[in-house]
Amino acid sequence: DTAVSQTPKYLVTQMGNDKSIKCEQNLGHDTMYWYKQDSKKFLKIMFSYNNKELIINETVPNRFSPKSPDKAHLNLHINSLELGDSAVYFCASSQWDGYGYTFGSGTRLTVV
Amino acid sequence: QQQVKQSPQSLIVQKGGIPIINCAYENTAFDYFPWYQQFPGKGPALLIAIRPDVSEKKEGRFTISFNKSAKQFSLHIMDSQPGDSATYFCAASMETSGSRLTFGEGTQLTVNP
Repeated sequence: DTAVSQTPKYLVTQMGNDKSIKCEQNLGHDTMYWYKQDSKKFLKIMFSYNNKELIINETVPNRFSPKSPDKAHLNLHINSLELGDSAVYFCASSQWDGYGYTFGSGTRLTVV
Repeated sequence: QQQVKQSPQSLIVQKGGIPIINCAYENTAFDYFPWYQQFPGKGPALLIAIRPDVSEKKEGRFTISFNKSAKQFSLHIMDSQPGDSATYFCAASMETSGSRLTFGEGTQLTVNP
C-alpha cells in the first residue's frame, strides 16, 4: 500500500544511454513532481504536473522529458545520459494547494 | 541564488540534548515553511510545518520557532533520541508557485546514545 512508488530503486547505466524512471501514487493527489537530490544531498525541483498538465519546468536540459499519462502517474525519461546526471531522483505528489506532500523513496541513478 | 539557507551542515548531540537547526529565507512571498526528515535510502518525510501567522508550533518533541521580521525559522528537537539521527531539511513555498518546495541545504543530525 505504498503511497508514492518509484521504479527502479537503483539504475546503473553507461553514458549516452536512454533510461526511464516510473512513478505512481495512490493518494488521489492531482499534482506530481520530480525532484533531484545531488551528491551533497541538495534537493531541487525539476518538474511538476497538475492533472497531466505541465506546471513547473525548471532550467533542466532538454534531455529530460517528463510524461504524465494520467494524474496518478508521472514518468521521467532521460536521453543521452551524462556523468553529471548521477543523482537520486525523487517523485512526489500533493493536492494542488500543497496539502499532503509525499515523497517516494527515490531512484539512485549512476552513470558510468 | 540560494533562497533558503540552512545551518549547521552537521550537528552531533548526546541523547536527551536539544539540537537546534536554523534556516533563513529571502523571499517574503513565501507563506509555508515545512521541515522534512530523511533517513538513508528513503525519501524526505514531512515532520512539521508552520505558516507565518504564528510564531511557534509544537508537535510532540518537535517545535518550530518562526521570526517573520528576521525572515528566520528554526527546528528544535526536545529530548533527542538516537532514532532521530537523520538529515533534516527546511523548506519554503508560496501559494502562487504551484506548491514548489525550495529546500535548504540540509543538516546531518547524529544523536549519540
